Amino acid sequence: ETGVTQTPRHLVMGMTNKKSLKCEQHLGHNAMYWYKQSAKKPLELMFVYSLEERVENNSVPSRFSPECPNSSHLFLHLHTLQPEDSALYLCASSLQGGQPQHFGDGTRLSIL
Amino acid sequence: ILNVEQSPQSLHVQEGDSTNFTCSFPSSNFYALHWYRWETAKSPEALFVMTLNGDEKKKGRISATLNTKEGYSYLYIKGSQPEDSATYLCALCGGSNYKLTFGKGTLLTVNP
Repeated sequence: ETGVTQTPRHLVMGMTNKKSLKCEQHLGHNAMYWYKQSAKKPLELMFVYSLEERVENNSVPSRFSPECPNSSHLFLHLHTLQPEDSALYLCASSLQGGQPQHFGDGTRLSIL
Repeated sequence: ILNVEQSPQSLHVQEGDSTNFTCSFPSSNFYALHWYRWETAKSPEALFVMTLNGDEKKKGRISATLNTKEGYSYLYIKGSQPEDSATYLCALCGGSNYKLTFGKGTLLTVNP
């Protein structure tokens, strides 16, 4: 139990669907992150929020839309995804930037 | 684009063996170096965050050293156990306190 919960654990969707990934932490952390793990590639940072403000956007296509309504919750809204977007999406949180990150178990996303 | 290299890619050792792996990174724009352990079907777990040249950190049988001038960090495991089997990831925090650039990891398998 890392204190970071992601739902759903698995998601299969068509290219025209709209879905959202959810991440929740009750560690009192101020920073939250979305990462993408594709096969045979390193973990790749997508977005960072600090105190509900986006501080990093790592050149991610607009079909991925993050939302951070408060410091405990982070969403990743998905729309018109491509087959190459199939990957493991990990959420993490840290007390502040530069501190160790606590990861969720991830959402395994498959695009048909 | 920061390049974080880890070697070897994979490693098989016998229970009781001691082992080590390497993380190489560009020495400019250095903020911190993170090490994580990622066991299969679990989430990445923070091991160390290292910031100072010459830093050495220890957690049980695992220790790490850091050389920021030449751009490398070593992770050592003393007396490997089967439960140490995991992928060990290093990540460079450089240019921004929030942005981690991960290596591809070293997959360690400890045979009983």
